[in-house]
Amino acid sequence: SAVISQKPSRDICQRGTSLTIQCQVDSQVTMMFWYRQQPGQSLTLIATANQGSEATYESGFVIDKFPISRPNLTFSTLTVSNMSPEDSSIYLCSVSGGDSSGANVLTFGAGSRLTVL
Amino acid sequence: AQTVTQSQPEMSVQEAETVTLSCTYDTSESNYYLFWYKQPPSRQMILVIRQEAYKQQNATENRFSVNFQKAAKSFSLKISDSQLGDTAMYFCAFDQISGAGSYQLTFGKGTKLSVIP
Repeated sequence: SAVISQKPSRDICQRGTSLTIQCQVDSQVTMMFWYRQQPGQSLTLIATANQGSEATYESGFVIDKFPISRPNLTFSTLTVSNMSPEDSSIYLCSVSGGDSSGANVLTFGAGSRLTVL
Repeated sequence: AQTVTQSQPEMSVQEAETVTLSCTYDTSESNYYLFWYKQPPSRQMILVIRQEAYKQQNATENRFSVNFQKAAKSFSLKISDSQLGDTAMYFCAFDQISGAGSYQLTFGKGTKLSVIP
């Protein structure tokens, strides 16, 4: 399975600032996803990062708040803009890879823990 | 839309004993995948086991096995011979096989499992 490097692993940010999270994959992948995991909660899909086109956002998430770039098949960034304490979460990058059964298995990065003061 | 419910927020088990984590889901799809993911304190999400809905045979991976009841929409995870390294959050997840929602997993809220020496 793919190996994902995500950085920063954690950061403490001031209210009103923006932070960009990077996700690097060791192989070319078609689909990359960004998830948010709020404290003590499950994972919620933010958007699907598409190479060569705009990201596809899930309900409740907008491009102005979470702009995403996908310049090539191994790299993506997620920016959390104009942060507030409610944005304090773990943000996870993941990629999809089919296995021998064809299952849509996700591989995750280690996550970026953001704390907004 | 699919929903995944994990009714046990926390569980504990003695080392070497067996524990079962519950998961139910709701969907109108007939073909789909179900997964159990593990998130240790280190935060890296790891796939534990997967099940194809069209297969009647329950999936097994070493000490991990599932009890898949399609009619009841139930997908429980059994961990045998529990080890300290099994301490983690366990997430049940659903993925439809085709259509606009495929590759976009729906996760349950998780069960925090503690293995006690």
